[in-house]
Amino acid sequence: SQQGEEDPQALSIQEGENATMNCSYKTSINNLQWYRQNSGRGLVHLILIRSNEREKHSGRLRVTLDTSKKSSSLLITASRAADTASYFCATGETSGSRLTFGEGTQLTVNP
Amino acid sequence: DGGITQSPKYLFRKEGQNVTLSCEQNLNHDAMYWYRQDPGQGLRLIYYSQIVNDFQKGDIAEGYSVSREKKESFPLTVTSAQKNPTAFYLCASSINVLGPQHFGDGTRLSIL
Repeated sequence: SQQGEEDPQALSIQEGENATMNCSYKTSINNLQWYRQNSGRGLVHLILIRSNEREKHSGRLRVTLDTSKKSSSLLITASRAADTASYFCATGETSGSRLTFGEGTQLTVNP
Repeated sequence: DGGITQSPKYLFRKEGQNVTLSCEQNLNHDAMYWYRQDPGQGLRLIYYSQIVNDFQKGDIAEGYSVSREKKESFPLTVTSAQKNPTAFYLCASSINVLGPQHFGDGTRLSIL
């Protein structure tokens, strides 16, 4: 079942620019998480935001959550070539017993 | 160093053969998961286990089987009933079912 949907599917920027990815979902959630996946590797957890939080920061990452619009955004500031990866959102539904992952955004940061 | 180990990294299956993918974690996590990822796509949940000796089907369980006899181990068997097994398989674990998941580095399964 598809819960989170990322937008855009692909994003290409220059080093130093900011990258913004969006995630929309359909049901009530307990939390929303963002993950990064480098090519051919497993996912790495980046940040978790709870349903009663509106914004969270971790280093160059900023995540916002708007439960009224059922959407979240991930902002990566001052991007680096090493940020090139796929980024996934995952939602933990209030009534659920598992996370549901979206299709991901492929970010390319050009040096 | 705690983490999740998946083996083998690459696996080839012959027609009609069952193959088993290994997943071991030393994070003392109760919950474990198996996902399938096709090229350029997201993760689809195959099976998950919240506790030893218990597991539930995910979204695409047909043609797969699992066991959870030990907290540390959650092997996945891809049976001959799975007609399109070529994919990247990821194992993960977490403290609880809605918490952050830790992933292994995957097993790439191909058909011979």
